[in-house]
Amino acid sequence: QKEVEQNSGPLSVPEGAIASLNCTYSDRGSQSFFWYRQYSGKSPELIMFIYSNGDKEDGRFTAQLNKASQYVSLLIRDSQPSDSATYLCAVPSGSARQLTFGSGTQLTVLP
Amino acid sequence: DAGVTQSPTHLIKTRGQHVTLRCSPISGHKSVSWYQQVLGQGPQFIFQYYEKEERGRGNFPDRFSARQFPNYSSELNVNALLLGDSALYLCASSASTGSGRETQYFGPGTRLLVL
Repeated sequence: QKEVEQNSGPLSVPEGAIASLNCTYSDRGSQSFFWYRQYSGKSPELIMFIYSNGDKEDGRFTAQLNKASQYVSLLIRDSQPSDSATYLCAVPSGSARQLTFGSGTQLTVLP
Repeated sequence: DAGVTQSPTHLIKTRGQHVTLRCSPISGHKSVSWYQQVLGQGPQFIFQYYEKEERGRGNFPDRFSARQFPNYSSELNVNALLLGDSALYLCASSASTGSGRETQYFGPGTRLLVL
């Protein structure tokens, strides 16, 4: 089992809809979780981080964490074509607490 | 404020050659991490340095090495390049390390093509 798993997609949603991106992780001891957005040909850009069970909202983005189910999700409300990108879930692991990434979910928002 | 900077932006090498990639962290950040990202995959951890000491090493061969300088900038060296080393090499900086809650900020990356 991979440490961090994401559906690779592609995921397509119409403009204005809610996009739901999911991530599962294998280490029950994981304490923090990061979502990065990566446009084609660019480097990852931090969107949100979450440490506690429940929801964390920042503008149109909501991160949801369920440690019992080892599941973290990212909701994008009122999706815009500019949200079209690959979304990467990352979990700190190892002695250096380096980030372990999922393979990313490619999101396309259709105008 | 300047973010993480990396040089060069693009590089073309041939098999067997050596390459050096450079990274300057965000001002005030003392930790630098290097990642390799091949097309269609998430970044994979190569090295982490904090206060000039290696804090972690990923599952990469000894052809990969790195170091951090007193000004916290860093170099990644790859010897005896293989075709499979073609990738986007990302540098990330954070203020500290170890707790797992540090936010890592990525530079624009160096795209390496090995022919």
